[in-house]
Amino acid sequence: EVQLVESGGGLVQPGSSLKLSCVASGFTFSNYGMNWIRQAPKKGLEWIALIYYDSSNKYYADSVKGRFTISRDNSKNTLYLEMNSLRSEDTAMYYCASHIGGYWGQGVMVTVSS
Amino acid sequence: DIQMTQTPSSMPASLGERVTISCRASQGISNYLNWYQQKPDGTIKPLIYYTSNLQSGVPSRFSGSGSGTDYSLTISSLEPEDFAMYYCQQYDSSPLTFGSGTKLEIK
Repeated sequence: EVQLVESGGGLVQPGSSLKLSCVASGFTFSNYGMNWIRQAPKKGLEWIALIYYDSSNKYYADSVKGRFTISRDNSKNTLYLEMNSLRSEDTAMYYCASHIGGYWGQGVMVTVSS
Repeated sequence: DIQMTQTPSSMPASLGERVTISCRASQGISNYLNWYQQKPDGTIKPLIYYTSNLQSGVPSRFSGSGSGTDYSLTISSLEPEDFAMYYCQQYDSSPLTFGSGTKLEIK
């Protein structure tokens, strides 16, 4: 069974940092590009970052460029999102998803508030 | 950036009805178009990839079509579990972009 399990979310203050993880199982993680996608409360889906299967290329939405870093460790079947200088507008459910193959996690909530 | 215009934003429909949701890209996306279903609990289910290919396990009442800038998702006969939000997404170029969503509601 394919699983993507996100963790690392929580309530943080503006300006702080947080690192999300997404552990994959049930498919060959190292063969797939991976995305982070978020959804603010009562809003639509917003893509924020993509990393190629071998980490050779990374792409970011303008809204997070320079503040967020996507990375992966294929030996651990894990995708990461390091988030710095967090703002209230970063409050959202964060999902990891394969670039192809149709694999999505259940999401992890990040709340940025003082 | 490629803008994805999804219509309608909401759609009341009845069980057994055939419905179509549309998505228009601001420029050609070479069929690099996905469709997703989101349930009220937040669970996202990929339905269709590359315009018209069903993801594994997706019922055959779902179908996708289109080319160039215009794409659509059709549900041939609505089942109770189909009432949900639907999103299109282009992956032709970065930034990947989503449509604003269609809420399929029971009439």
